[in-house]
Amino acid sequence: AQSVTQLDSHVSVSEGTPVLLRCNYSSSYSPSLFWYVQHPNKGLQLLLKYTSAATLVKGINGFEAEFKKSETSFHLTKPSAHMSDAAEYFCVVRGNAGNMLTFGGGTRLMVKP
Amino acid sequence: NAGVTQTPKFRVLKTGQSMTLLCAQDMNHEYMYWYRQDPGMGLRLIHYSVGEGTTAKGEVPDGYNVSRLKKQNFLLGLESAAPSQTSVYFCASSYQTSISSDTQYFGPGTRLTVL
Repeated sequence: AQSVTQLDSHVSVSEGTPVLLRCNYSSSYSPSLFWYVQHPNKGLQLLLKYTSAATLVKGINGFEAEFKKSETSFHLTKPSAHMSDAAEYFCVVRGNAGNMLTFGGGTRLMVKP
Repeated sequence: NAGVTQTPKFRVLKTGQSMTLLCAQDMNHEYMYWYRQDPGMGLRLIHYSVGEGTTAKGEVPDGYNVSRLKKQNFLLGLESAAPSQTSVYFCASSYQTSISSDTQYFGPGTRLTVL
């Protein structure tokens, strides 16, 4: 069994300041981990994915995430927030059992001018 | 290359009515999925298909049926809609599962309200 916990349902930052969205996971297998972003009234877009290669993963739009096995975490960061980053972010885990994804509850990121 | 498309974008039903949601992909993907999204719960898998003519249950299959008669299409049916099925429905597809990092590509969603 696998599960994902996004530790904050809402995060608010000012434009130009760092972003940190927290994610913890549990999995019986060596997991693959993903971050997806959903802008208002849109579908989900893949930001980045971890696939047991480098533990620091770089994604689109300046986002990156670090896989820490000892902490079972996969936090998403960005050095400087932009207004266009305002969206909902989902941390997702996939175990070895097929291609089934388990989603976290989502974190809504608000960016203040 | 349209990716994953969903029809319709919005729908309002009365309790007990039936409807079918259509998902189409033009990427020649083997796997297709239907999810529902509810506030604070992320996305939950309803049904999925590993290839033409095959379907399987996901996490929350009750009240839904699916069919995959053609590789590029995956239909989600509600035989007798209930207010609890008010949600946003997303379809997704992926190429194969032998690579653990395989990515799922999502459609834009269908917003369904059951009165």
